Amino acid sequence: DVKVTQSSRYLVKRTGEKVFLECVQDMDHENMFWYRQDPGLGLRLIYFSYDVKMKEKGDIPEGYSVSREKKERFSLILESASTNQTSMYLCASSSGAWGSAYGYTFGSGTRLTVV
Amino acid sequence: KQEVTQIPAALSVPEGENLVLNCSFTDSAIYNLQWFRQDPGKGLTSLLLIQSSQREQTSGRLNASLDKSSGRSTLYIAASQPGDSATYLCAVDQGAQKLVFGQGTRLTINP
Repeated sequence: DVKVTQSSRYLVKRTGEKVFLECVQDMDHENMFWYRQDPGLGLRLIYFSYDVKMKEKGDIPEGYSVSREKKERFSLILESASTNQTSMYLCASSSGAWGSAYGYTFGSGTRLTVV
Repeated sequence: KQEVTQIPAALSVPEGENLVLNCSFTDSAIYNLQWFRQDPGKGLTSLLLIQSSQREQTSGRLNASLDKSSGRSTLYIAASQPGDSATYLCAVDQGAQKLVFGQGTRLTINP
């Protein structure tokens, strides 16, 4: 069964800490994405990557950065965590070129609380 | 800017009923539309993907339709079961595989 695995289901971090959220996929997908999900706001795209060492900003990149050193791994970094970054973070991957038929697979999510 | 709206926000029906969930989008220039299911505290599971050139897709008791010109999609669930209780999200791809999501419909099927 194909999988997108997020390293932690729940995290509690302190304000100002540097936080790493890890995502690994075993489907050899080219494309990987980070979303956050908040009540009333839905899912919003933070960053995405179409290839190793490549990254693009999504709709809400402020306060975040990403790293993709290997095809299967896409990390989201909160440089200095703040309470407004408390949220559910969802990683996803997909294959195929733009507009083609592709599978979009999500991980189980990481619920991050910043105190 | 693309906006995706799902109505109703919540729906509660008795087991066995057929039901329809609605999704509308403001910009018809989409590559495809997807329907996802999300269980509480969990990630999203892809249910159906409709390419922009298609009118509908079916998987088991689920049928999704797409009317791109009017900016609408519906998800039809036949013979609903308690296990169908979840939040259903639709999302449109305007290119580059970046999805724009609706807020979801929270569905409860009562035994």
